[in-house]
Order: sequence, then structure tokens, then C-alpha cells
Amino acid sequence: KAGVTQTPRYLIKTRGQQVTLSCSPISGHRSVSWYQQTPGQGLQFLFEYFSETQRNKGNFPGRFSGRQFSNSRSEMNVSTLELGDSALYLCASSSGRSQGHYEQYFGPGTRLTVT
Amino acid sequence: GENVEQHPSTLSVQEGDSAVIKCTYSDSASNYFPWYKQELGKGPQLIIDIRSNVGEKKDQRIAVTLNKTAKHFSLHITETQPEDSAVYFCAARSLGSSNTGKLIFGQGTTLQVKP
Repeated sequence: KAGVTQTPRYLIKTRGQQVTLSCSPISGHRSVSWYQQTPGQGLQFLFEYFSETQRNKGNFPGRFSGRQFSNSRSEMNVSTLELGDSALYLCASSSGRSQGHYEQYFGPGTRLTVT
Repeated sequence: GENVEQHPSTLSVQEGDSAVIKCTYSDSASNYFPWYKQELGKGPQLIIDIRSNVGEKKDQRIAVTLNKTAKHFSLHITETQPEDSAVYFCAARSLGSSNTGKLIFGQGTTLQVKP
């Protein structure tokens, strides 16, 4: 089975711009979670999508949003970029079944640099 | 709020020695505890996990123990090898206000195995 893929792998944007990142989960997985990783804050949960619906959300401002498509692929969007948004954005794929199937598998991440 | 504390932040051992990383979680409803290994330039890789109804789990040189009463869990790596050098993260699945759960990560431990 192919793993989780994320595109693009690297991105450089300017303050005030917006950005869209893409994630394709493992085939058959219906849940996609997004995380932000920075040296100072570590790995922080952004949100989770399951069957095209956001079912969990972390403590990030409304500038961070996401969506999921019917084929389980997901995108996250960050509007009005700030320097502090520079980070590695990770996508994690999970089967999404409710009982006992909690394993999450991460993609390689998208390295976003805001200048 | 939900929190996972991880110690130590750095760990240096000689090849062949054992390494132990410890984590403490705050949400008593947490029911799933994975460990991830992250190498430079890659996303976190799930290496072992344990559920709240199990006290210990082993997979070759890696073992994890869970003490629900004390709310802490540990990763044990025996017969360490240079390729074990990486950053290790513990996580706890926190239910919070939602029954769907999200992973709360520790700050990470940089393990260096010296040949």
C-alpha cells in the first residue's frame, strides 16, 4: 500500500499571502488529521476530517481551515500568512473507524517558510 | 488542559546499551498511547503503541509500559544501534470534549546512539 503523500514538499510564501497544502491518505483510510510542527511548540493538532466533515479541532485561529473531498483527500488553507506560521505541516491518515482503530500514519510533511 | 510531559529532552547512550524515555499525561480518559520515531527530513513513524487495557507491550527490541494509576508510560529500547538515533515522540489520545479523540504529543526526546 502506498503511504501518505503530501504536496508540495517545500513552499516559500510572503507575509499576508495565503497557502493551500494537500494530503492524500492511505488507500481505504477515511480520516485525515493535520498537525503543525515547530521547534518551539512541538507537534500541535490542527483539525481532523472524516467523511468530508470536520469532527475535531485544535486551538488555532480561524485563518487555518481545511476540507476533505469524497475520495478522502484533504487540503488545508492558511490565509493572511504570518511569520510565525513557518513550520512543518504534517498530515496523518487513519482508518477512522470508531472502536480501537486509532493508529495514525504520517506523511513526510510540507515545509512552509513565510518571509 | 490536556498535556503530555516527556523526559528527557536529550539522551545519549553507547551502542548496545538500553534507552528509556518517560511520559506523563493529564487526561485520565486517555485510552491510547503511541510512540513515534522521526528522522531528519521525514514525518513521524509509528513504532509501537499501547491501549489503556494493557500494561505492557513488546516488539523485538522495543517495549512500552503503561501505568494508568500514575498516568505515565515509558518506551524502552534495548541493545541500541546507531540507526536508533532519531527524535522520539510519545502521544496520548485525549477525548476532551469530543468522543472522537485527538493525539496530544510530548515535546520529543533526541536520542543519540554512539558507536
